[in-house]
Amino acid sequence: DGGITQSPKYLFRKEGQNVTLSCEQNLNHDAMYWYRQDPGQGLRLIYYSQIVNDFQKGDIAEGYSVSREKKESFPLTVTSAQKNPTAFYLCASKLLAGDTDTQYFGPGTRLTVL
Amino acid sequence: AQSVTQPDIHITVSEGASLELRCNYSYGATPYLFWYVQSPGQGLQLLLKYFSGDTLVQGIKGFEAEFKRSQSSFNLRKPSVHWSDAAEYFCAVGAFGGGGNKLTFGTGTQLKVEL
Repeated sequence: DGGITQSPKYLFRKEGQNVTLSCEQNLNHDAMYWYRQDPGQGLRLIYYSQIVNDFQKGDIAEGYSVSREKKESFPLTVTSAQKNPTAFYLCASKLLAGDTDTQYFGPGTRLTVL
Repeated sequence: AQSVTQPDIHITVSEGASLELRCNYSYGATPYLFWYVQSPGQGLQLLLKYFSGDTLVQGIKGFEAEFKRSQSSFNLRKPSVHWSDAAEYFCAVGAFGGGGNKLTFGTGTQLKVEL
């Protein structure tokens, strides 16, 4: 089955700790994205990557870091510098063969800082 | 920079009634427009998309949307709502061709369906 997997579904961390969220896709998509979702604010772009070993900051990159060592994987690290990390995090991917390709989303990870 | 406005935060309709969710966008070039649906605690599922051509777009689950350039709108419609349509709906506009293939999302409309 092709798709995007995110793990874990729920994640708890203590203040001051870094935590890494996993995103894997087996769709052979070129681009991958990380979004943060807060109630009433829609989705905001954190980071995105169009090719391996390259990524760009989105609108709210402060306090986050990413890597893209493999085409199918795009992990997101929430660092202790992120002031308000409790949120729902969504990963997405798409082909870049054409401008009109659609972003497909994973099931999300809910991060709670205790 | 592009932006999307969904003016209705919450909408309640009775099962079997018609539905229209509003979406207005701001974008300097030809927009690529999307509607996604999200069930609680889940990811987003694509309902439909508009790139060019016919301004009335058909999607999954009986949804359709109409692109109106003069009004900068892309409203989502369904003639008869089912209880299973209760979810949150997001409109998005795409920046492509050098824009990093990014989407900008609206803040969403929460749909409640009364039985």
